[in-house]
Amino acid sequence: QTVVTQEPSFSVSPGGTVTLTCGLSSGSVSTSYYPSWYQQTPGQAPRTLIYSTNTRSSGVPDRFSGSILGNKAALTITGAQAEDECHYYCVLYMGGALWVFGGGTKLTVL
Amino acid sequence: EVRLVQSGPEMKKPGESLTISCKASGDTFTGYYFAWVRQMPGKGLEWMGRIDPSDSYTNYSPSFRGHVTISADKSITTAYLQWSSLKASDTAIYFCARPTRDGYNYVSWGQGTLVTVSS
Repeated sequence: QTVVTQEPSFSVSPGGTVTLTCGLSSGSVSTSYYPSWYQQTPGQAPRTLIYSTNTRSSGVPDRFSGSILGNKAALTITGAQAEDECHYYCVLYMGGALWVFGGGTKLTVL
Repeated sequence: EVRLVQSGPEMKKPGESLTISCKASGDTFTGYYFAWVRQMPGKGLEWMGRIDPSDSYTNYSPSFRGHVTISADKSITTAYLQWSSLKASDTAIYFCARPTRDGYNYVSWGQGTLVTVSS
């Protein structure tokens, strides 16, 4: 079974730029996988940031952007803020009415 | 905008049955699927399966097929997640989610239902 991969952890300085990625254990991610990105703080429901690769969800600041970089989907945070410190998850549509989440990235802003 | 409201926390014993719910309000287009997502304590998100409330057709992740049942009542735009015999390993927060109209992107989320299974 194909695994969706994310960096387990990442650090960024306040005001800095960070790019989190979402890949496949086998193959390349394309727009056909409809990558979406979610932000989650402990005990809360996920918050949708980006869907369909690069569409920002309603109310999401424009410092969050999505793209395909090489063979992975990517979430870029430009001008990171302390409130951005939390977990980030991607999900990919694998076809056949099956979606698979990545393991998540814990982002630290320090 | 779709709003999803889930039923409250549950404490159950191993072997007991349970059904939790997720009710949609707002944009209640019946063509929207409902999906369920599990989050075990301290772990990540796992897509469990989805249902089309218009005809109750379901799709399950191989990891969850046979362990849970997803159902829906389109007349009240509500989806359900059911266990016939709970295990301690079912302890988790369960989220419902609904996609964009094309069905590919989960953008609306319920608040989550904490299910605790302990003897």
